[in-house]
Amino acid sequence: EPEVTQTPSHQVTQMGQEVILRCVPISNHLYFYWYRQILGQKVEFLVSFYNNEISEKSEIFDDQFSVERPDGSNFTLKIRSTKLEDSAMYFCATLGTGGASGANVLTFGAGSRLTVL
Amino acid sequence: EDQVTQSPEALRLQEGESSSLNCSYTVSGLRGLFWYRQDPGKGPEFLFTLYSAGEEKEKERLKATLTKKESFLHITAPKPEDSATYLCAVQAVNDYKLSFGAGTTVTVRA
Repeated sequence: EPEVTQTPSHQVTQMGQEVILRCVPISNHLYFYWYRQILGQKVEFLVSFYNNEISEKSEIFDDQFSVERPDGSNFTLKIRSTKLEDSAMYFCATLGTGGASGANVLTFGAGSRLTVL
Repeated sequence: EDQVTQSPEALRLQEGESSSLNCSYTVSGLRGLFWYRQDPGKGPEFLFTLYSAGEEKEKERLKATLTKKESFLHITAPKPEDSATYLCAVQAVNDYKLSFGAGTTVTVRA
């Protein structure tokens, strides 16, 4: 079964450092998402990306965050200057073409755990 | 703003003891209501999508139902391997992103 692949599975970084989380979407999926889950809290939407641009972002997704699809396959989330409160699991999710029944299901990756010290 | 509230927060069951989880929601036009399963340290795993009131879906010991204001996930004769956090999420008609509830953590003891 097709799956969304995320790397790294776990990253430890110092406060103020830049971090890049990577996602390989399911082939031919067109919509890409990043979600965040702080330990013990709910899964929160960060940003959606379609047609090589951000289609929506949440209040959490401030200027320190950015996303891009640098090579047509990987989808990345960059945190420019990490803070302690950025410690969380970050999930990438992808969606096919939308529209028809069954085609609007988001498939999630296993996540990247970010620990900021 | 879309809102999803799940109850209870946690549920401890004996193997074979059936129960139900609740998800109440408000959304500006529902495209679909989703149930996902999440194991510790893993990503959400898709279970069901429900699109309209009255719809029901089943998968093994799980059955999901939908009304205009809430959804229920019924677990019939659960086994220890059903232990997980069950997440409810809504998708609005104007969007494909999901808005999640906080989840119900189910523990099934043998």
